[in-house]
Amino acid sequence: DADVTQTPRNRITKTGKRIMLECSQTKGHDRMYWYRQDPGLGLRLIYYSFDVKDINKGEISDGYSVSRQAQAKFSLSLESAIPNQTALYFCATSAISGTDEQFFGPGTRLTVL
Amino acid sequence: DQQVKQNSPSLSVQEGRISILNCDYTNSMFDYFLWYKKYPAEGPTFLISISSIKDKNEDGRFTVFLNKSAKHLSLHIVPSQPGDSAVYFCAAYNFNKFYFGSGTKLNVKP
Repeated sequence: DADVTQTPRNRITKTGKRIMLECSQTKGHDRMYWYRQDPGLGLRLIYYSFDVKDINKGEISDGYSVSRQAQAKFSLSLESAIPNQTALYFCATSAISGTDEQFFGPGTRLTVL
Repeated sequence: DQQVKQNSPSLSVQEGRISILNCDYTNSMFDYFLWYKKYPAEGPTFLISISSIKDKNEDGRFTVFLNKSAKHLSLHIVPSQPGDSAVYFCAAYNFNKFYFGSGTKLNVKP
């Protein structure tokens, strides 16, 4: 089984809808991250969490919110989706040392019409 | 403005030859650098890293070079194999965050 899972894998929605993307991990890591990937821009950090009580904004947090329900679960919400949020979204985890490699989920492809 | 840049969107190399992927950064506070490889429909996977106190790190066919004065790092793959065909991202670390480049798509031709 995959160490980092994301659901759904693909989602098409309409402008104005609320969307939740979910991430679960079995690696036992405290640190979890949400990124989005756009063509020509690489991965950009949306939010990150170092434990259940610690949530931090990344580079591009506007229009997004997150919830860290447990050590193993980190959800990303789009309260009112807009077309420029169409992207590939990745969840990642890492161990407690900041420079440790990140382990990524398979990604969620989100299309907002 | 992107702090980590990969200016070559794609690279094509013959099997057995060397692949050189380049990455430039602007923030002198970055103290750790990583390379990730990504296949289609999968998340990125860690490949190799280097601390700013080193100028070279080697792992099998993969070597990363860091030139701090030029704010430049490169990934060398020798010899290149068709299975190395993927998108390669460089990333830099500073103060609890990773900053990623836009990626270079490597195609290794048999």
